[in-house]
Amino acid sequence: LAKTTQPISMDSYEGQEVNITCSHNNIATNDYITWYQQFPSQGPRFIIQGYKTKVTNEVASLFIPADRKSSTLSLPRVSLSDTAVYYCLVGDEYNTDKLIFGTGTRLQVFP
Amino acid sequence: DSGVTQTPKHLITATGQRVTLRCSPRSGDLSVYWYQQSLDQGLQFLIQYYNGEERAKGNILERFSAQQFPDLHSELNLSSLELGDSALYFCASSPGLAGGEETQYFGPGTRLLVL
Repeated sequence: LAKTTQPISMDSYEGQEVNITCSHNNIATNDYITWYQQFPSQGPRFIIQGYKTKVTNEVASLFIPADRKSSTLSLPRVSLSDTAVYYCLVGDEYNTDKLIFGTGTRLQVFP
Repeated sequence: DSGVTQTPKHLITATGQRVTLRCSPRSGDLSVYWYQQSLDQGLQFLIQYYNGEERAKGNILERFSAQQFPDLHSELNLSSLELGDSALYFCASSPGLAGGEETQYFGPGTRLLVL
């Protein structure tokens, strides 16, 4: 069971880069790492997914070291609208019942 | 808009009652997931259905049950409701059954308040 550990909260200012790290020491070979964003009273929204090395899309980058025991979500130049809760999720297609969102990281962006 | 719809948006009921929450997945998605999110809590996985069959079960209470119909919409039934069942209930869908590998698309949620 790949339990994840994230900081409870982070603060940043507009225009800064934010890096949120997730620890998943017991990650299994078949596990993927997925990050979701959730605004208050809304359903989570997919941000990015990766298996190893680095993945980049139009909104974020995901850095995964060779041992895969952690991952870092990087948000470039955050704005006020990036204030949300960010969840790190680790799992594979065989263990849906083990998917754990946890309490996530509450990111507060200040002007 | 994720393409996943949930009804009703809000629901207020009394302890001991039974309610049904409904979810319509994105067009073409075969998997439906149900989650519970209590106040200031993380998302708790309840159950997954894939093409009408139960695929995985999480921390779902025996008082709760779900099903997925031939048209792929799903219903979550909550019975003998208790105050602690008050929460946001989210439905998500994905194209296949690869829960941890696929992207899940979440609906707007149903806010349940048990008085």
